[in-house]
Amino acid sequence: GENVEQHPSTLSVQEGDSAVIKCTYSDSASNYFPWYKQELGKRPQLIIDIRSNVGEKKDQRIAVTLNKTAKHFSLHITETQPEDSAVYFCAASLADMRFGAGTRLTVKP
Amino acid sequence: KAGVTQTPRYLIKTRGQQVTLSCSPISGHRSVSWYQQTPGQGLQFLFEYFSETQRNKGNFPGRFSGRQFSNSRSEMNVSTLELGDSALYLCASSLTVSGANVLTFGAGSRLTVL
Repeated sequence: GENVEQHPSTLSVQEGDSAVIKCTYSDSASNYFPWYKQELGKRPQLIIDIRSNVGEKKDQRIAVTLNKTAKHFSLHITETQPEDSAVYFCAASLADMRFGAGTRLTVKP
Repeated sequence: KAGVTQTPRYLIKTRGQQVTLSCSPISGHRSVSWYQQTPGQGLQFLFEYFSETQRNKGNFPGRFSGRQFSNSRSEMNVSTLELGDSALYLCASSLTVSGANVLTFGAGSRLTVL
């Protein structure tokens, strides 16, 4: 099945800085790549996703890029705020959805 | 529109016992997936059900099983519990949108095995 690797496992930034989280996937047939945010004690929530026929997608301060050739996709958060502090999961899907191990992002005020 | 409902939210069991967790998907969603979440291990895929059939399965031992009913509600069962089964079990229901399986998660069932 699909294998998703995510880096870094922890990331600490100052408020206002940018944060980048990177993921790689193994199955070139995967066609859907969502990102989920999980705040402490809460369920994962979809924040942005990208399909395999698109290279980049933006939604306000967050953006995702996809490089199908390299089987690599990234989450970019600009102008980070303390409320961005959470665990972020990338995922890749063809049949079922497989997740990366997560990145704990801490935004220091 | 009601979200994904999981019961029970918390439970404590002892080694060797079995447990059954329940998941009611969003109305109209026919696919239900189960994940195990442990610290540092992310979300590990257990299985996915669609129209009462197991469509995909992750790399878990046979002690982990599931089923789906005609109303799309799903249950998962873990038999002969081990300490390492302590985890948050998340259920997600999904709707296929333009070929993409968009998951919506429940709040989870936190299992503690003593």
